[in-house]
Amino acid sequence: KAGVTQTPRYLIKTRGQQVTLSCSPISGHRSVSWYQQTPGQGLQFLFEYFSETQRNKGNFPGRFSGRQFSNSRSEMNVSTLELGDSALYLCASSGGTSGLTGELFFGEGSRLTVL
Amino acid sequence: GEDVEQSLFLSVREGDSSVINCTYTDSSSTYLYWYKQEPGAGLQLLTYIFSNMDMKQDQRLTVLLNKKDKHLSLRIADTQTGDSAIYFCAENKGSARQLTFGSGTQLTVLP
Repeated sequence: KAGVTQTPRYLIKTRGQQVTLSCSPISGHRSVSWYQQTPGQGLQFLFEYFSETQRNKGNFPGRFSGRQFSNSRSEMNVSTLELGDSALYLCASSGGTSGLTGELFFGEGSRLTVL
Repeated sequence: GEDVEQSLFLSVREGDSSVINCTYTDSSSTYLYWYKQEPGAGLQLLTYIFSNMDMKQDQRLTVLLNKKDKHLSLRIADTQTGDSAIYFCAENKGSARQLTFGSGTQLTVLP
């Protein structure tokens, strides 16, 4: 069974630009969550999608948005990039029996550098 | 992750046991988790424990939960160099998929 796939793995943007990150969950998983990891703030929850609907949202500004498609693939978008948005963005999927225990299966992450 | 606390560093000798400690805050958390992150990689779920359990053992891993003190620990028996990584504890708050993570403990295994 293929794991969670995130693209791109690395990207560099400049301040003011926008970026879109993609996540393909494990086949059959319908929940996709996004987390931001930085050295200063650690791992922070961004949002979670289930069946194309946002179920939960963390404490991030409106510049951070996401969506989920009917095939459960998810994208997150960050507009008007700031230097502080440089981070590793991790996607996690959950479903089936793991949905009951809250087990999250993480991808390798997309490392965003904002210059 | 400021609600879940972990010590930042731990060094052990190969073959010794490692114990990584964590203090969490939400007594209503249903499940508590331990994740491992190797350099340049995502997070790998190691194990989890249901809040009504005191202990869970899975091969070299033993999780102890003291619900009264909100203290969680992960013991790794016969620690190997391949166990060197950052270990995160996490609790679910409100939603099973909205985890609050600790700051992570960097485990270094010395030969």
